[in-house]
Amino acid sequence: NAGVTQTPKFQVLKTGQSMTLQCAQDMNHEYMSWYRQDPGMGLRLIHYSVGAGITDQGEVPNGYNVSRSTTEDFPLRLLSAAPSQTSVYFCASSYSGFQNIQYFGAGTRLSVL
Amino acid sequence: SQQGEEDPQALSIQEGENATMNCSYKTSINNLQWYRQNSGRGLVHLILIRSNEREKHSGRLRVTLDTSKKSSSLLITASRAADTASYFCATDNGNNRLAFGKGNQVVVIP
Repeated sequence: NAGVTQTPKFQVLKTGQSMTLQCAQDMNHEYMSWYRQDPGMGLRLIHYSVGAGITDQGEVPNGYNVSRSTTEDFPLRLLSAAPSQTSVYFCASSYSGFQNIQYFGAGTRLSVL
Repeated sequence: SQQGEEDPQALSIQEGENATMNCSYKTSINNLQWYRQNSGRGLVHLILIRSNEREKHSGRLRVTLDTSKKSSSLLITASRAADTASYFCATDNGNNRLAFGKGNQVVVIP
């Protein structure tokens, strides 16, 4: 099993560009989440999904869109990149809400110029 | 909103010493979890303690939970250089999401 796979690992964008961060898991987990990690801020939840077709906003959803058409994939879209979105993005998945032990991808380091 | 708040923020110890980190939270929880993050990597789950448990062990890890004080501690015994990492607590209050703290950076000096 590959676990949680995130692509790309690194990305540089110009202000106003759009892009999609990919996340895929092969553990048949129902729950998937996107976090951003900034220095001194810990992890902040952007969006999450409790199953295919179901998504909800987290703590910092503005400027990001998600969809969950399959159990395996949970892409994160930046609609119009801003320098404030420079961060490291992590995708995570978990089997269910019970205990909710999360498995993390290796992260995508994004710079917006 | 983030609930977990770890204390201290940074810790530097000699190999073989014990490392203790604390975490406080604000609301009732179903469980509290600790994760480790090595530099440049994703987080890895270490241990989970349920709200009705007071102490739990896993190898060199010992976690305590005091729900009356809304606090938890993580003890790493006989630390090794490989324990150098950031450690995060995360609370689960049953709303389908985890709330992570800001993290503790631990440096173990060989």
